[in-house]
Amino acid sequence: AQSVAQPEDQVNVAEGNPLTVKCTYSVSGNPYLFWYVQYPNRGLQFLLKYITGDNLVKGSYGFEAEFNKSQTSFHLKKPSALVSDSALYFCAVRDIYEKSSGDKLTFGTGTRLAVRP
Amino acid sequence: DADVTQTPRNRITKTGKRIMLECSQTKGHDRMYWYRQDPGLGLRLIYYSFDVKDINKGEISDGYSVSRQAQAKFSLSLESAIPNQTALYFCATSDAGFYNEQFFGPGTRLTVL
Repeated sequence: AQSVAQPEDQVNVAEGNPLTVKCTYSVSGNPYLFWYVQYPNRGLQFLLKYITGDNLVKGSYGFEAEFNKSQTSFHLKKPSALVSDSALYFCAVRDIYEKSSGDKLTFGTGTRLAVRP
Repeated sequence: DADVTQTPRNRITKTGKRIMLECSQTKGHDRMYWYRQDPGLGLRLIYYSFDVKDINKGEISDGYSVSRQAQAKFSLSLESAIPNQTALYFCATSDAGFYNEQFFGPGTRLTVL
């Protein structure tokens, strides 16, 4: 079975500082990994994904994520945080060999990012 | 994503009532999904549909039913609503393929009294 963990309920960072939102995963085979962001009263918006290839993935709004197979992690990063980045962030995983689950995504519980001015 | 719409956006109902939440998409995707979001639990899959004739239960389908009326429309029904179905409900769509991301509607906030 596939699963994903976001160990931090909330991350606080000052504007202009780098930010990291952590995600670890568990799959039987190889993972497809995704990051989504949810702003207040909005649906989830896709940020970036890892399928294969380069371990550093670049996405929307200046975000990037690094896939680390040995640590089974896919942490979201941004070099310089903005107040407008404050939102709820979800990591999601899909096991490409888990045929019985179709193409379902398994989401983490979410991490709230708060960027202070 | 404006290409995925949900109605209603907010609904308050009473225990025992039948409720239908509707989802429409203009993205031309075959695959559609219903999730519920609860604080601290993330998103959990209720039902998903790979095409009009292919509907599957997700991890928390008890108490829910769905109808795929067309490629573009996927409805979620609560036959007899109960208070622990109070949640934020999201519809999502995607192209076929394990590597494709899902596109989410704005959500429906449902309160069951």
